[in-house]
Amino acid sequence: DSGVTQTPKHLITATGQRVTLRCSPRSGDLSVYWYQQSLDQGLQFLIQYYNGEERAKGNILERFSAQQFPDLHSELNLSSLELGDSALYFCASSGQGAHEQFFGPGTRLTVL
Amino acid sequence: AQSVTQLDSHVSVSEGTPVLLRCNYSSSYSPSLFWYVQHPNKGLQLLLKYTSAATLVKGINGFEAEFKKSETSFHLTKPSAHMSDAAEYFCVVSSTNFGNEKLTFGTGTRLTIIP
Repeated sequence: DSGVTQTPKHLITATGQRVTLRCSPRSGDLSVYWYQQSLDQGLQFLIQYYNGEERAKGNILERFSAQQFPDLHSELNLSSLELGDSALYFCASSGQGAHEQFFGPGTRLTVL
Repeated sequence: AQSVTQLDSHVSVSEGTPVLLRCNYSSSYSPSLFWYVQHPNKGLQLLLKYTSAATLVKGINGFEAEFKKSETSFHLTKPSAHMSDAAEYFCVVSSTNFGNEKLTFGTGTRLTIIP
């Protein structure tokens, strides 16, 4: 158990819909990262937040957005969903100055 | 820019024999390197990390990796494979640029253990 929690574990929705994925980092970790894992793209970095502020952006679509709240939990919002958005979405967290990231169990999103 | 190449997409070994998973990296900065393991339908677990200390790094479950700067390699090894080692393994390079931590993942190596 990494100490990073993600909800929900599974999400099934339809094209055009909007969903919110939630992540709670390990106690004391200020950085939260979001990743997408799909069969064709592999593991892709989406976005990083540090203590409430956006720190780095990766291959995140404009339809996707994220935020980190004062209690340090983070949410990833996916809108206008397409079939190709079906994937595993992972959240990770790290401590200040630490290089390694600790991953949550993921949310499996299925878009029908 | 940084990148990671995992040289084998699939590796099969017999139980009790050595494991070698190969990884080459490229990085413009002094890199940190990691190996993560992902068991089916699970999240990623950190196996070991190299952060410019000892070049031979020991991790969990008997795995170790050696950082070779001259070869830009960070291969993962284990002397004796166990059935529970069957999983997907990811080599990862990290660089910190102006406080932004960026992980770049390899495409993964699926390890199969033959009984």
